[in-house]
Amino acid sequence: NAGVTQTPKFRVLKTGQSMTLLCAQDMNHEYMYWYRQDPGMGLRLIHYSVGEGTTAKGEVPDGYNVSRLKKQNFLLGLESAAPSQTSVYFCASSYSFGRLANYGYTFGSGTRLTVV
Amino acid sequence: AQSVTQLDSQVPVFEEAPVELRCNYSSSVSVYLFWYVQYPNQGLQLLLKYLSGSTLVKGINGFEAEFNKSQTSFHLRKPSVHISDTAEYFCAAFFNQAGTALIFGKGTTLSVSS
Repeated sequence: NAGVTQTPKFRVLKTGQSMTLLCAQDMNHEYMYWYRQDPGMGLRLIHYSVGEGTTAKGEVPDGYNVSRLKKQNFLLGLESAAPSQTSVYFCASSYSFGRLANYGYTFGSGTRLTVV
Repeated sequence: AQSVTQLDSQVPVFEEAPVELRCNYSSSVSVYLFWYVQYPNQGLQLLLKYLSGSTLVKGINGFEAEFNKSQTSFHLRKPSVHISDTAEYFCAAFFNQAGTALIFGKGTTLSVSS
């Protein structure tokens, strides 16, 4: 029962470097999300996807790109990392609207990213 | 814009005392409400949810929450806390008319001491 798996769990980047965070779910969920968590700010939505091949911007999308080429995977990319992107990143997945409320989200365990 | 407000950023309590963590949401025709808990260095897990029906919702670990439509609130309560309840708690809402993602409050850190 893997649920939602995020890789890597930790990463340190230098300013200007690029990287991709991978989120994989095995629950056949339609929707997937990327959030960032910062102290005192709660969780803020970066991007989300309502299905394979579709993505949309959330509250704080600048500096990030995403792709969902397969239903089970949702990738978050940082093209040129900045210190302001130091954060804990959480991926989540859910059923689509009709069943989202009944089951809520399933979260990954997070990726702690530090940009120096 | 739709929003969720958690009124206390930190709540310190002694073990075995009761606790209430407050959450208000922006008014909406229909709303689904959730409480999540995050233990240190872990992801978030669902405590309880309100979809419809009875306004008093019971969740895991002895927590419960009451939906109050007139006051647009969904406060989380526990009659007697344990040290192990120390964690961050997030209130979240899904506004049926407004999109496809949960909107989270900023979190409340519950610190239980002996």
